[in-house]
Formats: sequence, C-alpha cells, structure tokens
Amino acid sequence: GAVVSQHPSRVICKSGTSVKIECRSLDFQATTMFWYRQFPKQSLMLMATSNEGSKATYEQGVEKDKFLINHASLTLSTLTVTSAHPEDSSFYICSARDLNTEAFFGQGTRLTVV
Amino acid sequence: RKEVEQDPGPFNVPEGATVAFNCTYSNSASQSFFWYRQDCRKEPKLLMSVYSSGNEDGRFTAQLNRASQYISLLIRDSKLSDSATYLCVVNLLNQAGTALIFGKGTTLSVSS
Repeated sequence: GAVVSQHPSRVICKSGTSVKIECRSLDFQATTMFWYRQFPKQSLMLMATSNEGSKATYEQGVEKDKFLINHASLTLSTLTVTSAHPEDSSFYICSARDLNTEAFFGQGTRLTVV
Repeated sequence: RKEVEQDPGPFNVPEGATVAFNCTYSNSASQSFFWYRQDCRKEPKLLMSVYSSGNEDGRFTAQLNRASQYISLLIRDSKLSDSATYLCVVNLLNQAGTALIFGKGTTLSVSS
C-alpha cells in the first residue's frame, strides 16, 4: 500500500523553541494533507487541512500563527510548532491522500516540551 | 453535540466472542464512512470502508444507516490480535474540501 513517512518520530525540545515535523508521501501525490493531534486517551483531533499550493484551513480553536503548515509540493507538508510550551506536548499525526482515495497516515511524532 | 460519537468501552471479551461497536454522526452531509484500527502508540490504519449496502471482510462486518446516521462494526470469532482501539471515521465537507473526522474510539480487549 501507499506509504506516508513522518519525521521525526520523537522530539524533545525546550520551552520557547520551535519544532518542525515533516510529512512525505512516498509513492503517490498527496493533493490533500491533514494534521491531527492526539492527547493520551483522547481521539485524533483535526488541526488543519492543507491542499497543495494553497493556505491551510485551520479548525476552530487551532492557532494558525502557532502551528505553521506548509504544503509546497504534492509530496511534502510540514508542521512547525512555534514557541512550543509544555501544553503542546502531544502525539502529532499527518495523513495524506490523493483526491478522494483512502487516507494514509504517517507514523506520528511524539513531541515533549520541557 | 460531537460530530462523531462512539461508546469508548472498554469492551473486554473472551476469545471467540462476537462483539459489536456502534457509532453515530451528526452531519447529514457526510459523504463516506470508515472504520480504522489503532494499536497503542501507533498510527491509525484503515480496517474497512462502510457502505449502505453493508460490507463484509472475513470476520468483520460493517453497516451504515444513513437515515439514522448510524454506523456499526461487528467482529465475529474474536482473536487476541483484535485487541486495539477501533475508530469510527466520517469524511465530510469542510472549508478546505473534505476532511476525515474521527470518533474517540472504542477499546477492545480480547482475552484467552
């Protein structure tokens, strides 16, 4: 099946620094990418949807200036958590799909802000 | 009201049991429906799509009732390896086109 590679799988950063997470579709063109966040024992919460070449659409309550999303090509989207704080510690997962086909998920990034 | 609601469980069943999960969704404009499986600390993986006519894949049967906005998943002859969290997922229109919205998940634990 199609593969989505997400990197890094784990990151620990100091409070106030920024962290960039990459999401790549390896064998298909991802016209749409989704970014989710999952806190322990909670569901996956959609943060934003991005279509290649256009600005991301953020869900209500998600700060676009804090979570910068770039989807510059059909195979790469990045999420940058700016000025990270301990409450941003979470499991971030990207998902990619081509048009209305099945969505494939990255392996996830566990972010810990200390 | 949440867009996708599931009974969180946990469902604790012995091997060989039949177990059913239910899910309701609030947006009648939802386009397509799925069940995903998520193992602990792993990414979700597609288990099966859900159609109004119902569909079956081995021990798994999924049903959709659009009138009631209700989705179900039936697992027969449960195996230890079925232990996981099962996520009800709805594809609906948003400002960016469409998006997959997840339920909170139902945890299944199968014991020997």
